[in-house]
Amino acid sequence: GDKVKQSPSALSLQEGTNSALRCNFSIAATTVQWFLQNPRGSLMNLFYLVPGTKENGRLKSAFDSKESYSTLHIRDAQLEDSGTYFCAGEANSAGNKLTFGIGTRVLVRP
Amino acid sequence: ETAVFQTPNYHVTQVGNEVSFNCKQTLGHDTMYWYKQDSKKLLKIMFSYNNKQLIVNETVPRRFSPQSSDKAHLNLRIKSVEPEDSAVYLCASSFPGDPGNTLYFGEGSRLIVV
Repeated sequence: GDKVKQSPSALSLQEGTNSALRCNFSIAATTVQWFLQNPRGSLMNLFYLVPGTKENGRLKSAFDSKESYSTLHIRDAQLEDSGTYFCAGEANSAGNKLTFGIGTRVLVRP
Repeated sequence: ETAVFQTPNYHVTQVGNEVSFNCKQTLGHDTMYWYKQDSKKLLKIMFSYNNKQLIVNETVPRRFSPQSSDKAHLNLRIKSVEPEDSAVYLCASSFPGDPGNTLYFGEGSRLIVV
């Protein structure tokens, strides 16, 4: 978790509001993946990113490899967005293995 | 839709026993992985296989051994479990250019060692 720092560690959101999660890398990440782990434990891949941005429905993610960070924006939060969001960076120095952050726990309130 | 299947989902056992977790993927991927998720939710890679060949073997105790019969299956055997082995074990698969090495996870196998 030290090489990939996620913030905030936890977040409580009112349904319908927007928020942003951040991931800072101390490794030279070349690609980033974002995952959502639901309360049952299933990990779902949300984004695979090279430097740049991607959007999928109410989610938007950006990755800046020079500044070594990535963001995940949630727009119009819904109850099913609740869960733990993980980012993971892939770096040549780590043998192209993914290094995960410790996650951001998100609770969306009605 | 789940395409990486793990069994069992949950297992409680005593210290010293042997445990096996099975994983099968129906995505046609070449690479499969085992990750360990500890009580603090941190995910760490244990092993990865590419087309039945071991390509990553992190520093894990020798009592852990992966087994792959073909590229769609990757099992994990733990001989003589210890209390610190209590965790969720997650299997994943990937395919280069899908894009990159996008990981697809199973639902996890929770191990409790008493």
